[in-house]
Amino acid sequence: DTGVSQNPRHKITKRGQNVTFRCDPISEHNRLYWYRQTLGQGPEFLTYFQNEAQLEKSRLLSDRFSAERPKGSFSTLEIQRTEQGDSAMYLCASSLGYRNEYGYTFGSGTRLTVV
Amino acid sequence: AQTVTQSQPEMSVQEAETVTLSCTYDTSESDYYLFWYKQPPSRQMILVIRQEAYKQQNATENRFSVNFQKAAKSFSLKISDSQLGDAAMYFCAYRSATSQGAQKLVFGQGTRLTINP
Repeated sequence: DTGVSQNPRHKITKRGQNVTFRCDPISEHNRLYWYRQTLGQGPEFLTYFQNEAQLEKSRLLSDRFSAERPKGSFSTLEIQRTEQGDSAMYLCASSLGYRNEYGYTFGSGTRLTVV
Repeated sequence: AQTVTQSQPEMSVQEAETVTLSCTYDTSESDYYLFWYKQPPSRQMILVIRQEAYKQQNATENRFSVNFQKAAKSFSLKISDSQLGDAAMYFCAYRSATSQGAQKLVFGQGTRLTINP
């Protein structure tokens, strides 16, 4: 297992286009998280899955954002009608159980630039 | 809601010397975890050290140690014998230990650490 994998690493898109990112967590991890990190800031929570169920969404996740985790394996994050304010690093993390004392394992992120 | 504050946007230290990064947090919970994460320029967040709130003993991992003051809600990171590879953004993070909810991480704004050779 090579850790949490995110693709693509970089994405440049024109305003108004739709984009989709993929996250492949560590295979035995049942919890998956999406965070957004803008330049010079700490990551902010977007949404959380336990297995295939999306159990919590941040108010940051507008109706242009949708996330899925079919079959409790990989996850996708889609942004529709992108805006310049969506430009950020999108981080995925996974963990096993809720009393995972070791925090999460993060992926390297997908950097989105909306022009 | 819990908040985490890192009041030092940037810090620098001479190689081989010691540096302390500050973090304060606000919570009404009694059971939680605190973490320090390192984010090198490659961007992958790496766990440096963690502290369980119910443990009074400060956590230590090799050259990294914390000063956890629960009453003051303070959680500082001390890096001893600084090395060039320690240069990175450092984030302090909080996570509830309850069984309810997402147990999401709440991050501070980060401190950029520069190591001077």
